[in-house]
Amino acid sequence: EIVLTQSPATLSLSPGERVTLSCRASQSVGSYLAWYQQKPGQAPRLLIYDASSRASGIPARFSGSGSGTDFTLTISSLEPEDFAVYYCQQRSDWPPYTFGQGTKLEIK
Amino acid sequence: DVQLVESGGGLVKPGGSLRLSCVVSGFPFSNAWINWVRQAPGKGLEWVGRIKSKGDGGTTHYAAPVKGRFTISRDDSRNTLYLHMNSLKIEDTGVYYCSTEVGLYWGQGTLVTVSS
Repeated sequence: EIVLTQSPATLSLSPGERVTLSCRASQSVGSYLAWYQQKPGQAPRLLIYDASSRASGIPARFSGSGSGTDFTLTISSLEPEDFAVYYCQQRSDWPPYTFGQGTKLEIK
Repeated sequence: DVQLVESGGGLVKPGGSLRLSCVVSGFPFSNAWINWVRQAPGKGLEWVGRIKSKGDGGTTHYAAPVKGRFTISRDDSRNTLYLHMNSLKIEDTGVYYCSTEVGLYWGQGTLVTVSS
């Protein structure tokens, strides 16, 4: 089973700041990595798929990069609505499609 | 509009069974691969399993913690996906979501509580 490790676990930042979240896989997942945002009481929302493709309706301030085992999600300038928990998920060749443990982005 | 609506959650005793449903509308369900994902209270997301479309063999895959206890099935005539859960454990407690393969569309979730 592929293990995804996200870092940091928690990040305290202010609106307007730039943030980079990390997701590292225990073995190569190619480009089959997605990023989700989840707010309390809500279902996850797909932000990025295939490592760098923005999902429909996602603002341009969200971008993803990486391949193989190292991936990043960057938010260029934090908006108040961006404070949430972010998860990465791999969908490489074969299930299980594991998730990372999440990074909580909180307001400083 | 695409909609996935889960139902069937509730309170069940350890060792009991429950069947969750996920009704899909707004896209061709018969061609879709659908996943189940769960989230224990205050915890992260955990992939549970997936079913392919019948056209792609209808194959199912499961996460290790549920393999042998959970079964995913589909009824394309009803645009409905099912998660049959047997031998439930306390650690199966959580919100269960159905989602499309790429994760673009999710239901609102249904809460399963396993407790004596």
